[in-house]
Amino acid sequence: DTGVSQDPRHKITKRGQNVTFRCDPISEHNRLYWYRQTLGQGPEFLTYFQNEAQLEKSRLLSDRFSAERPKGSFSTLEIQRTEQGDSAMYLCASSLEDRGPGIGSSGANVLTFGAGSRLTVL
Amino acid sequence: AQKVTQAQTEISVVEKEDVTLDCVYETRDTTYYLFWYKQPPSGELVFLIRRNSFDEQNEISGRYSWNFQKSTSSFNFTITASQVVDSAVYFCALSAIRALGWNSGGSNYKLTFGKGTLLTVNP
Repeated sequence: DTGVSQDPRHKITKRGQNVTFRCDPISEHNRLYWYRQTLGQGPEFLTYFQNEAQLEKSRLLSDRFSAERPKGSFSTLEIQRTEQGDSAMYLCASSLEDRGPGIGSSGANVLTFGAGSRLTVL
Repeated sequence: AQKVTQAQTEISVVEKEDVTLDCVYETRDTTYYLFWYKQPPSGELVFLIRRNSFDEQNEISGRYSWNFQKSTSSFNFTITASQVVDSAVYFCALSAIRALGWNSGGSNYKLTFGKGTLLTVNP
């Protein structure tokens, strides 16, 4: 397993176009996360899946954003009608489910990140 | 609400110097995890350490050491004898541990990151 893969690594698009990013997590990880990182900032949580269920979405995720993980494996993040403010690095991460610090927690809830997909909206 | 503050935006040192990166956090949760991640120029966040709030023992791993002090809500990171390859942005992060069932879907999944400290190690 080579870690978390994201595609494409870079995307330049014009305002108003739709874009889709794909994330392939580590195969045995049942949790998958999307974060967004803008220049000079730390990553901000967008949404997360446990298996195929999307369990939470941040308020940052407007209705133009949609994420799916149809078979509990890879995930896609689609942005419709892109705006210049959407320009950022979109990071995907995966992890095992955490059962608490004292319960088989070694490695759990440690997010492994992909290299990110950088979006530039012109 | 959770908050992580990394007051040092940029630090520049000469190789072989020791350097400490500061991290101060705020949380209302009584149990939580603290993390440090490294983001080299390639962009991929690399996990360095996770500590839970039960365990205030300091930790050393090679040239890296971490000082967790709950009384001051700080989790500082020291690199001893820095090297050029240590140049990167370092992020401190916090994740709550919810008490309502360890395996509930809503527990301990969301990291709150600081803004990061850019460390430049010059030869």
